[in-house]
Amino acid sequence: GESVGLHLPTLSVQEGDNSIINCAYSNSASDYFIWYKQESGKGPQFIIDIRSNMDKRQGQRVTVLLNKTVKHLSLQIAATQPGDSAVYFCAENGNYGQNFVFGPGTRLSVLP
Amino acid sequence: KAGVTQTPRYLIKTRGQQVTLSCSPISGHRSVSWYQQTPGQGLQFLFEYFSETQRNKGNFPGRFSGRQFSNSRSEMNVSTLELGDSALYLCASTGWGGGETQYFGPGTRLLVL
Repeated sequence: GESVGLHLPTLSVQEGDNSIINCAYSNSASDYFIWYKQESGKGPQFIIDIRSNMDKRQGQRVTVLLNKTVKHLSLQIAATQPGDSAVYFCAENGNYGQNFVFGPGTRLSVLP
Repeated sequence: KAGVTQTPRYLIKTRGQQVTLSCSPISGHRSVSWYQQTPGQGLQFLFEYFSETQRNKGNFPGRFSGRQFSNSRSEMNVSTLELGDSALYLCASTGWGGGETQYFGPGTRLLVL
C-alpha cells in the first residue's frame, strides 16, 4: 500500500543550530503535504503545509521544501530551541475526499 | 475558535468490553477523521465522516465503527476490545476534507487490560 516515510529516526541537535527533518513519500499523485509536531501526551499540532505547485514555503523559523522529482519533503527549523523537542510527522493527501497518510515520524532532541 | 475536543481523555477497559469515544470538531468543520496511534504502527487512519456519511475507511476490522451527527460531532465505537486496541485515538477535523489543513484533538488514551 501507499506509505510515507521509511523508519523512525532520531535527530539530536544543539540548541541554536538548524535542524533538517526528512520525509519520503511514495504517491506521486499527492498534491498537499503537512508537517505536524507532536509533543508527549498531546495530539499532533499543525506546523506548516505546502501544495504540489510550490517547492518551498516559509513560516516562522520553519521552512518546508518539496522535491516532487524524488518524492521528498523536508522540514527545516532555524535556531532550534528546547521547546522544539518532539516527534515530527509528515502527512500527504491526494485529491478531494482522500485521507491523509502519515509517515512514521522523526524524534527531534534538542541538546542544551 | 475553540479547537478539536475529545472526551474522555483517558479510559481503562477490560478485554471483551466495548467503548465509545467522542469528538467535537472545530466550529464550522464538517469533516471528521479518526486515527489510531501506537508505538509500533504509528498513525493509522480509521475512517472519515462528512455530512453524517462515512466517506473513507481504513483497514481496520468491523469492530471499529463510527458515526457523525448533524452538528458534525462524531463518535467512534470499538466492540469486543482486545489488548492490541490499547492506543491513543485521535480525531481530526477539516472544513471539507481532502486538500485542506487537518487539525487534531488531544486524543483519548485507551488502555485495555
